[in-house]
Amino acid sequence: AQSVTQPDIHITVSEGASLELRCNYSYGATPYLFWYVQSPGQGLQLLLKYFSGDTLVQGIKGFEAEFKRSQSSFNLRKPSVHWSDAAEYFCAVGYNNAGNMLTFGGGTRLMVKP
Amino acid sequence: GAVVSQHPSRVICKSGTSVKIECRSLDFQATTMFWYRQFPKQSLMLMATSNEGSKATYEQGVEKDKFLINHASLTLSTLTVTSAHPEDSSFYICSARRTPNEKLFFGSGTQLSVL
Repeated sequence: AQSVTQPDIHITVSEGASLELRCNYSYGATPYLFWYVQSPGQGLQLLLKYFSGDTLVQGIKGFEAEFKRSQSSFNLRKPSVHWSDAAEYFCAVGYNNAGNMLTFGGGTRLMVKP
Repeated sequence: GAVVSQHPSRVICKSGTSVKIECRSLDFQATTMFWYRQFPKQSLMLMATSNEGSKATYEQGVEKDKFLINHASLTLSTLTVTSAHPEDSSFYICSARRTPNEKLFFGSGTQLSVL
């Protein structure tokens, strides 16, 4: 069975600082990996996804993620955090590139200090 | 850790029938549950927010009479797709949290296929 682990439940960073959110997955085949963001009261928004090819994936809002097969990781990064990035972030792994049958990590809540 | 159970994982039904999907929080009381729908190759779209004991808040464009949401207890929310049609075929997933400041946990999703 596939599983996704986000080790950090809460992270606080200062505005302008760099950010890295960790995600580790367990899956027997080639994973399809996703990062979503949920802001208070809002639904999930897809930040980026990895299916194959270049292991460094660029997403919206200045986010990127790097797939490292040897570490079973898909960490999300941003060079400079903005106050509007404060939200909850979810990593997910899917059976296929349609994004169906997703398994989500537990989420990481990001807080941004002024 | 907290677990959210979603049932069934897959369902196939005939056009015109109604289908009920259950979302249960197994070891915590969920004051808020969310229902999402995903179309092929697209991200999840929030359908509605369900608070225990009150009517669900639907997102714009979601038919309230088509997708009935009930959150009658702190551990159970149901989504009923009424008079299902092939265009309702989709992946539906729920999530739940105890309080607004706590973690959000996801169910495993339901793949609905309407013939």
